[in-house]
Amino acid sequence: GENVEQHPSTLSVQEGDSAVIKCTYSDSASNYFPWYKQELGKGPQLIIDIRSNVGEKKDQRIAVTLNKTAKHFSLHITETQPEDSAVYFCAASINQAGTALIFGKGTTLSVSS
Amino acid sequence: DVKVTQSSRYLVKRTGEKVFLECVQDMDHENMFWYRQDPGLGLRLIYFSYDVKMKEKGDIPEGYSVSREKKERFSLILESASTNQTSMYLCASSLSGSTAFGPGTRLTVL
Repeated sequence: GENVEQHPSTLSVQEGDSAVIKCTYSDSASNYFPWYKQELGKGPQLIIDIRSNVGEKKDQRIAVTLNKTAKHFSLHITETQPEDSAVYFCAASINQAGTALIFGKGTTLSVSS
Repeated sequence: DVKVTQSSRYLVKRTGEKVFLECVQDMDHENMFWYRQDPGLGLRLIYFSYDVKMKEKGDIPEGYSVSREKKERFSLILESASTNQTSMYLCASSLSGSTAFGPGTRLTVL
């Protein structure tokens, strides 16, 4: 089955710096790659996703890149703010009926002002 | 927006008790999931369902069962709770990839 590795497990940056979180996946059939943000005491919230027919997607300060050949994808946050501090999870799936997201172990991002 | 609700935010049970965790979604989603979240281990899939009365085992189904009698409701059952089932339990639903999560139930088994 699918296996997703996520690095780093913790990341500390200064406000205004960029943050990059990287994930690799094992199943070449996976074609859907979402990123979730989880704030303390809440469930994970989808922040951006990318499908395998796209190499990059951007939404304001957040961008995701996908390299299908190397089977890795990354989350980029620019101009970080203290409210970006949270746990971020990457996930992968085949995105067809009867399949589920498989998650990485998470990255705790701390943005200090 | 999809709303996924879980019956309890916090739950404390005794070892050996039968525990029911209830989840309801309001967007007519076909797929529903139960994940368990533990520090350093991320989100691990327990069971999921892609249709009423259908269920599939995830990565860690041992000690759990599920029930989906109606499309909007997916229940996780701990037949005989054990201390190693103390965890955060997250329910989710999806239609075509995009998966929405509930707020979670923090279960403590004493």
